[in-house]
Amino acid sequence: GIQVEQSPPDLILQEGANSTLRCNFSDSVNNLQWFHQNPWGQLINLFYIPSGTKQNGRLSATTVATERYSLLYISSSQTTDSGVYFCAALGATNKLIFGTGTLLAVQP
Amino acid sequence: SQTIHQWPATLVQPVGSPLSLECTVEGTSNPNLYWYRQAAGRGLQLLFYSIGIDQISSEVPQNLSASRPQDRQFILSSKKLLLSDSGFYLCAWSPDRNYGYTFGSGTRLTVV
Repeated sequence: GIQVEQSPPDLILQEGANSTLRCNFSDSVNNLQWFHQNPWGQLINLFYIPSGTKQNGRLSATTVATERYSLLYISSSQTTDSGVYFCAALGATNKLIFGTGTLLAVQP
Repeated sequence: SQTIHQWPATLVQPVGSPLSLECTVEGTSNPNLYWYRQAAGRGLQLLFYSIGIDQISSEVPQNLSASRPQDRQFILSSKKLLLSDSGFYLCAWSPDRNYGYTFGSGTRLTVV
């Protein structure tokens, strides 16, 4: 099945800094999503982005499907951005496979 | 609009006891439904998925089972819990395999 790798595994930022999270996937995808898991465990859907670029406030994402990677950009980070960011991909099978996540800590 | 409900939020159960976690979706019909587990650490593992009533696929052979008695209801069960069943269980739905998944708020299960 499809493999999903995320980097970096951990990231510490000062409030106001920008960051880029990367997701590599091993095969062509029909679905690519970015999620934020908050400290209470809830998975919040950030982007559904099998290809192209999308923006939502301080967050944006780009997926280059032909090169099998996606990037999540966080600008002007805030302490509320802390948590784990997951990339998940759905390939030829009916299964959304998650990467192991990036643990982000934004310090005041 | 569509909403997904999952309960209970937390559960502490003794080893060997049964389990029933329920997930329901409102505002849509014939959703694809999924159960994931997140053990200590980060990875989310797909346990079961269903594309229709009584159409359930199991991803990982283990001590758990799933049922879909109604179109928008998905139940995760166990006859006898093991310590290794502890974890955070998340239900999700999507209108179609090529659309985004939406997750419920999760159930944190501790087996003691």
